Amino acid sequence: SAVISQKPSRDICQRGTSLTIQCQVDSQVTMMFWYRQQPGQSLTLIATANQGSEATYESGFVIDKFPISRPNLTFSTLTVSNMSPEDSSIYLCSVDGARDSLYNEQFFGPGTRLTVL
Amino acid sequence: AQSVTQPDIHITVSEGASLELRCNYSYGATPYLFWYVQSPGQGLQLLLKYFSGDTLVQGIKGFEAEFKRSQSSFNLRKPSVHWSDAAEYFCAVALYGQNFVFGPGTRLSVLP
Repeated sequence: SAVISQKPSRDICQRGTSLTIQCQVDSQVTMMFWYRQQPGQSLTLIATANQGSEATYESGFVIDKFPISRPNLTFSTLTVSNMSPEDSSIYLCSVDGARDSLYNEQFFGPGTRLTVL
Repeated sequence: AQSVTQPDIHITVSEGASLELRCNYSYGATPYLFWYVQSPGQGLQLLLKYFSGDTLVQGIKGFEAEFKRSQSSFNLRKPSVHWSDAAEYFCAVALYGQNFVFGPGTRLSVLP
């Protein structure tokens, strides 16, 4: 398994501002994922981030709103841009824990709890 | 369309009682199957997973799950629930090389 940390753990932000969330892994991983968990809801995949290429966004999510960086195999950032109260959610980073395996499984960071006023 | 359902939104059990959380999926092929637990204010922790082989899989914290192909189910069980098991439980499925799809979650409350 991988140990994943996220910064910040929580934040309260004003409408119209942006927040960058960091995700750090203790080992090199091929794929990193960003999820959103709205209050009382399940997880929705925002995008997949591979090192050295552009992130792949899921339907309903766009790069202008959620720009992602993946500068190396242990780190990624997600920015929530021009925030509105509807962006209040938990944002979770996860990694593919089976880089050299036939199977895929994911391990999650502790999440970043974002409140937009 | 591919989907994952967890029919029970909220379950309450007494401490020491047995537990079963249901998960059903609708996929064209048998996917990989996972159960995650999310304690309040925490991220997700992997409880167990099924890829192939023995249909009864053992996980951490005394949990087990049984894959039933005929019912497209992967139900999570625990023989004796502890108060610390109160949390949100998510079933997830994925085909190899494809993204995870999470169920809506089941919130477990434990009575003393």
